[in-house]
Amino acid sequence: DTGVSQDPRHKITKRGQNVTFRCDPISEHNRLYWYRQTLGQGPEFLTYFQNEAQLEKSRLLSDRFSAERPKGSFSTLEIQRTEQGDSAMYLCASREGAGSSTEAFFGQGTRLTVV
Amino acid sequence: AQKVTQAQTEISVVEKEDVTLDCVYETRDTTYYLFWYKQPPSGELVFLIRRNSFDEQNEISGRYSWNFQKSTSSFNFTITASQVVDSAVYFCALSPRSNYQLIWGAGTKLIIKP
Repeated sequence: DTGVSQDPRHKITKRGQNVTFRCDPISEHNRLYWYRQTLGQGPEFLTYFQNEAQLEKSRLLSDRFSAERPKGSFSTLEIQRTEQGDSAMYLCASREGAGSSTEAFFGQGTRLTVV
Repeated sequence: AQKVTQAQTEISVVEKEDVTLDCVYETRDTTYYLFWYKQPPSGELVFLIRRNSFDEQNEISGRYSWNFQKSTSSFNFTITASQVVDSAVYFCALSPRSNYQLIWGAGTKLIIKP
């Protein structure tokens, strides 16, 4: 397994358009996280899946954001009606097991620019 | 409250100097894990080390060392004989047993000048 992969690496979109990002986690990892990161900040939690179940979604996240992990493998993050404030790096991470001891492995991220 | 503070926003040193990155955390959990990650300019967060709350032994890995002190709720990271390739943003993160999330500090940007 080559690690967590994200697609696309870069996305430029016009304000108001919808965008969808994909994350393929490490295959044996049952937990998957989406984060957003802006310049000079740490990763900001967006949502969390254990297998196919979305267990938590950040209260800071608007209804324009939705994520799925239909078969407990890959995940998609969709942003509808993008705004300039959505411009950021979107990071996906996966973790093994169910406890707090394991490290998260990150993909290279998708950089979104909304113009 | 559960929180991670990295008070140093940016550190700049000349190559071969030693540098310490500070991390202070807050949690009410008695069982928790602490992590350090490196984010080079390419953007991918790379795992460096994990430490659990019951193990206060310092750890050394090559030029890297970590000092975990529960008494001061700190988990500091030292790079000895820094190199230009160490230039990156370094993040400290907390994983409390009661919470499935990783709680992140704001990161410290480390610049190593040749």
